[in-house]
Amino acid sequence: DSGVTQTPKHLITATGQRVTLRCSPRSGDLSVYWYQQSLDQGLQFLIQYYNGEERAKGNILERFSAQQFPDLHSELNLSSLELGDSALYFCASSVTTQGGEREAFYNEQFFGPGTRLTVL
Amino acid sequence: GQQLNQSPQSMFIQEGEDVSMNCTSSSIFNTWLWYKQDPGEGPVLLIALYKAGELTSNGRLTAQFGITRKDSFLNISASIPSDVGIYFCAGQLGQDGQNFVFGPGTRLSVLP
Repeated sequence: DSGVTQTPKHLITATGQRVTLRCSPRSGDLSVYWYQQSLDQGLQFLIQYYNGEERAKGNILERFSAQQFPDLHSELNLSSLELGDSALYFCASSVTTQGGEREAFYNEQFFGPGTRLTVL
Repeated sequence: GQQLNQSPQSMFIQEGEDVSMNCTSSSIFNTWLWYKQDPGEGPVLLIALYKAGELTSNGRLTAQFGITRKDSFLNISASIPSDVGIYFCAGQLGQDGQNFVFGPGTRLSVLP
């Protein structure tokens, strides 16, 4: 158990709909990352939040958005869903210290169990 | 952008055999990490490497951070059935998400 929780485990919805995926990071971790993994594919970085603020953006579609709340949990919102959005969505968390010799160590990302989204 | 290559793409081995896989890049990284993913589950961190040349073990797993900072390898000794899964390497240049790059994975199958 990584300490990162994600809900729901599975989500089935129709094209055009909007869904929200939720992630709670490990206790003490300030950074949350969202990834998309399509069938038999690698992990595609979507977006990172650090202590409530957007920190970095990857290949995230304009139909997707995320936020991180004061209690550090994060939500990924997917709207106007298309068939191709069906995938596993993972969040990961890390401490992300500001510099220092151990910066690299604390940037290890720990992954949640994922949400499997199926768009019909 | 930064890309990682992993080889082999997939491998089938007999239980008890040793396994070696590697990860290469045209870019340098400050940290290399190895993850294992079981079907339908999240990746689990196996080993993290922080310094060029570093060799680190975790049970039957051994990984090394290449001297050039552009590669890393993972060895698994005396494989067992539960080693089945996809092994991802990840390179990290900085603390921001876009500087954290995953390889495409090596799919390992262990035959009894």
